[in-house]
Amino acid sequence: AQTVTQSQPEMSVQEAETVTLSCTYDTSENNYYLFWYKQPPSRQMILVIRQEAYKQQNATENRFSVNFQKAAKSFSLKISDSQLGDTAMYFCAFMIYEKLTFGTGTRLTIIP
Amino acid sequence: GAGVSQSPSNKVTEKGKDVELRCDPISGHTALYWYRQSLGQGLEFLIYFQGNSAPDKSGLPSDRFSAERTGGSVSTLTIQRTQQEDSAVYLCASSLGTGGSEPQHFGDGTRLSIL
Repeated sequence: AQTVTQSQPEMSVQEAETVTLSCTYDTSENNYYLFWYKQPPSRQMILVIRQEAYKQQNATENRFSVNFQKAAKSFSLKISDSQLGDTAMYFCAFMIYEKLTFGTGTRLTIIP
Repeated sequence: GAGVSQSPSNKVTEKGKDVELRCDPISGHTALYWYRQSLGQGLEFLIYFQGNSAPDKSGLPSDRFSAERTGGSVSTLTIQRTQQEDSAVYLCASSLGTGGSEPQHFGDGTRLSIL
């Protein structure tokens, strides 16, 4: 069975600082996709960044980047120059055979 | 709007009643997914459609849950004889195709409360 673990239920950081959210997963498959989604209080899940497991290069999207360690089954998200609008729940997710499996989330608060 | 639309936004019903939740995907998106998010939990996969077919129904928690999709567009998730443990936010997502190369776009969800 596939599992995703986010070991930090809550985090907070000062505005403009850098924060890293951790995620580990477990699978016996070799080809899959990894995602970070953001869920603000509005409830809508917003895709932040995506990584294909067969690509060694870490994905980046503006202030968001990942550290993907396939052998260690680790997929952390780094947010640089954090902004107040980054306050949200962040979910790590992993997709195989059309099924997205999510972690339990990290509640991130950006402090002004 | 151009996003995934779900209705109703909120639904309160009595235990034992049937409910129908609706999802209108982004136009042209062939894949459609249903998830459930219980309080304080991550999302739990329920079912997905490719066109009108549902190749994977393994996530449906019991035979009280069913879903259909017609015309390759709108989907309804039906819960019969609702129980209190069915209380959750039900999220729908759609994508251009299957496989993780096409990102899933989510709606705002339906918050279901069973009294």
